[in-house]
Amino acid sequence: ETGVTQTPRHLVMGMTNKKSLKCEQHLGHNAMYWYKQSAKKPLELMFVYNFKEQTENNSVPSRFSPECPNSSHLFLHLHTLQPEDSALYLCASSLPLTGGDTQYFGPGTRLTVL
Amino acid sequence: AQSVTQPDIHITVSEGASLELRCNYSYGATPYLFWYVQSPGQGLQLLLKYFSGDTLVQGIKGFEAEFKRSQSSFNLRKPSVHWSDAAEYFCAVGALGIQGAQKLVFGQGTRLTINP
Repeated sequence: ETGVTQTPRHLVMGMTNKKSLKCEQHLGHNAMYWYKQSAKKPLELMFVYNFKEQTENNSVPSRFSPECPNSSHLFLHLHTLQPEDSALYLCASSLPLTGGDTQYFGPGTRLTVL
Repeated sequence: AQSVTQPDIHITVSEGASLELRCNYSYGATPYLFWYVQSPGQGLQLLLKYFSGDTLVQGIKGFEAEFKRSQSSFNLRKPSVHWSDAAEYFCAVGALGIQGAQKLVFGQGTRLTINP
C-alpha cells in the first residue's frame, strides 16, 4: 500500500451505533488530519495531530472522538451520530516544515447516518 | 483568519479550449496556496502549490497557476482541456498551526464540465 488509505470506503450506521473510521499513511509523515466534506459546504478541518499529539480541535462535537496511536495511524470513533453528520470524511497527512508543508489526502469514507 | 473565495461554482468548457479557474484569498501574512482536484467518489489530489519564489507555478496534468499578491489571487489555468479534466477543483490557503502543522482553509470548489 502506498500513500494514504482509509477504511471502510462506505459506512451506513444508525444513530445509536458505534463505529470507527481508520486512516493509515505510508509516507513517513508525522502530522495527520481529519476533514469533513458535506454537500454544498467547503471542506472543514476537524482535528490535527502532530507526533501523536492533538494540536487542533475545530469545535467538533464530542460524538466524534479521534485517536492517534502513532504517526502512521489515525482513527475517528463515532457514536450517537445525527443524520446531518452524513458526509465524506477525509484523512490527510503531511510532514510539517518551517517553510510550509503539503497535505496528501486519502480517498475518504462516505458515511451515511440513518 | 484566512478565507478563500472561488467565485465560479460551475464552469463548462469545450474539449480543447483554454481554462481559467478563479481563486481569491484573504490572509494577513504571506500565504501558502494550493490547488487540489477531486474526481467523483475520490479524495483530493494535489495539482500544484505556491510557497515562495516564482509566482508562476507549474503543476501536474499541464496545469499552472499564477500568484498575484496585489490582487490576492491564485488563478488556475490550462491551455487546452481534456475530457478527463472534468472534476471538482479546490483552492486552499494554508497557515502554520501549532508545531508547524498546516491549517488549510478551502474554497467552496468549482465543478468543471467538459463538452465533447
